[in-house]
Amino acid sequence: SQQGEEDPQALSIQEGENATMNCSYKTSINNLQWYRQNSGRGLVHLILIRSNEREKHSGRLRVTLDTSKKSSSLLITASRAADTASYFCATAFTGGGNKLTFGTGTQLKVEL
Amino acid sequence: DGGITQSPKYLFRKEGQNVTLSCEQNLNHDAMYWYRQDPGQGLRLIYYSQIVNDFQKGDIAEGYSVSREKKESFPLTVTSAQKNPTAFYLCASGTGRDRNEKLFFGSGTQLSVL
Repeated sequence: SQQGEEDPQALSIQEGENATMNCSYKTSINNLQWYRQNSGRGLVHLILIRSNEREKHSGRLRVTLDTSKKSSSLLITASRAADTASYFCATAFTGGGNKLTFGTGTQLKVEL
Repeated sequence: DGGITQSPKYLFRKEGQNVTLSCEQNLNHDAMYWYRQDPGQGLRLIYYSQIVNDFQKGDIAEGYSVSREKKESFPLTVTSAQKNPTAFYLCASGTGRDRNEKLFFGSGTQLSVL
């Protein structure tokens, strides 16, 4: 079964606005990762946050992790049309080795 | 130019036919993975391999088979026992040595049934 559930399923914003997507998971994790997928393409890794971290930044990306609530959020600031893609969270659950379990994804559309 | 190469990009299967999807990596990674993605869905793990000559079933292994005879290669066979094979198949790899590591993905193979 899929570990992560993402919210919202789809998000449409204007260029320059911020986009926030959320991920919830069910069991104890080693880390949580976010990936991006352009239509019909493979996934590209964006950012990894470890279970003992609460917040991480990478360029226009900000990820938070709340292990007590088993949830994470991805914030993309000052969005661009090129950010249009699907975004997936993936968890490496404790005892699962390096296997990743993926969420259902958020489809982001950034309009000019 | 390092990376993961999946081929073919598009594949069509007739009923009762087995088809094999290729995945090759030159990243010197020990671990390789096969995921299935249905439209509008997340990825589900089919099989994974942590080392040559060893592999384990993932969450949806029924109707699929794999081999790992070489470090660089992890082909996936979709057998006739897989009754709903139409999906986008993604191969990924990682070093397998760090529990906090990212995966590298190929560009995928779209499999359709004729």
